[in-house]
Amino acid sequence: GDSVTQMEGPVTLSEEAFLTINCTYTATGYPSLFWYVQYPGEGLQLLLKATKADDKGSNKGFEATYRKETTSFHLEKGSVQVSDSAVYFCALSGGGTSYGKLTFGQGTILTVHP
Amino acid sequence: KAGVTQTPRYLIKTRGQQVTLSCSPISGHRSVSWYQQTPGQGLQFLFEYFSETQRNKGNFPGRFSGRQFSNSRSEMNVSTLELGDSALYLCASSLAGKNYGYTFGSGTRLTVV
Repeated sequence: GDSVTQMEGPVTLSEEAFLTINCTYTATGYPSLFWYVQYPGEGLQLLLKATKADDKGSNKGFEATYRKETTSFHLEKGSVQVSDSAVYFCALSGGGTSYGKLTFGQGTILTVHP
Repeated sequence: KAGVTQTPRYLIKTRGQQVTLSCSPISGHRSVSWYQQTPGQGLQFLFEYFSETQRNKGNFPGRFSGRQFSNSRSEMNVSTLELGDSALYLCASSLAGKNYGYTFGSGTRLTVV
C-alpha cells in the first residue's frame, strides 16, 4: 500500500538558518504530494502541493519538488523564522482505492530559536 | 469564505458511551474525509464520503461510523467508547479531486475517561 517516510525529528534551528525536511514515498500510479503544517492546538494547514513529476510547489518561502525518479518530495526554506516553529507533515493522495484518502508521514517537529 | 467547521471543539466522555462529531465542509466541497490523530499512531484515515456515499474506509473497527447529508455536512459516530479512542479527530473537505488538496478543520479533541 501507499506509505510516506519523513526524516527523524525533532529539528532545531537558529533563525535565518536553511531548512530541509526529507520525505520519501511509496505509491502505485501517480500520486499527488502535499506538505501540511500544524501549529499547536490547531488543525492542519496546506502549505504546498505538487500534482505531477517535476512540479515545484511553493508558498511562504517554502519549496518542494516532486521527484519521481527518487520518489521524494523534500521540503526546503532558505531562511527560517521563529514563527515557522510547528509540526510538518508530508502526505500523498493516490488513485484507485486510495481515492479520497491522504496518507501521512509521521510528522517532523521544527523549533526555531531567535 | 468560511473554512471547514468542526463541532464541538472539546468533548469529554465516559467509557462505554457513544459520541457524535460534526463537520461542515467549505461551501461547494462535496468530499469529506475524517482522520484520527494520536501521539502514538499519528494521522490515520477513518473514512471518506462523497455525495452521501462512503467511497473509502480505513482500518478501524465497526464502532466508528459516519454519514454525509445532502448538504455535504458530515457526522462521525463512535459507539462504546474506549480509553484508546481519546484523540484529535480531524475533518477535511475537498472539491473531490486528489489534485485539489484537502482543507482541514481545527478538529474535535475527544477525551475518554
